[in-house]
Amino acid sequence: GAGVSQSPSNKVTEKGKDVELRCDPISGHTALYWYRQSLGQGLEFLIYFQGNSAPDKSGLPSDRFSAERTGGSVSTLTIQRTQQEDSAVYLCASSFKWTEGGELFFGEGSRLTVL
Amino acid sequence: GNSVTQMEGPVTLSEEAFLTINCTYTATGYPSLFWYVQYPGEGLQLLLKATKADDKGSNKGFEATYRKETTSFHLEKGSVQVSDSAVYFCALSSPGNTGKLIFGQGTTLQVKP
Repeated sequence: GAGVSQSPSNKVTEKGKDVELRCDPISGHTALYWYRQSLGQGLEFLIYFQGNSAPDKSGLPSDRFSAERTGGSVSTLTIQRTQQEDSAVYLCASSFKWTEGGELFFGEGSRLTVL
Repeated sequence: GNSVTQMEGPVTLSEEAFLTINCTYTATGYPSLFWYVQYPGEGLQLLLKATKADDKGSNKGFEATYRKETTSFHLEKGSVQVSDSAVYFCALSSPGNTGKLIFGQGTTLQVKP
């Protein structure tokens, strides 16, 4: 596809269940990012992958959150034992290898609602 | 730590009005500054950027000037259109924080005909 693709676009789950969110970056982009957009909270950085380097996980809010990137392309964000405060829009972005001032290309997000 | 503060919205304007959305930042070193825009039903997209002090970023009639002395990057447009209705995010990236954009809270702009 031409842009960053995320799935599912909407996910409703019950508290305590695990969820997986998928991101398919733009072909050729080596950097991939996950952000969380909560109402009134702006965008919160979660995790960053660059090529084969160790990911920057400094934004993950708890050990219930994890992410992987297979083959340097598709990424999956996993939230275990979901809580109501996890409800948010999860955004994925990709770019060419990060350089200062470079542009991030965002997907439309996955809206997660935890009941 | 690094942070970005935007004026709270929503901002409601009539078509052809002048727009200012304030953005100030706190950062170590010399960050690059960005404005991203999120139109209804779409993903965020880069609107403009500035990578050093006194640079002016511009796109689609929007402008913002990197002011180091006031640590600001205010977004302006001389005459807004209904199609400019969107959420606007100010962001920064700092040297040493590769790949980690720090965003403000976002400001919703609604332009009425």
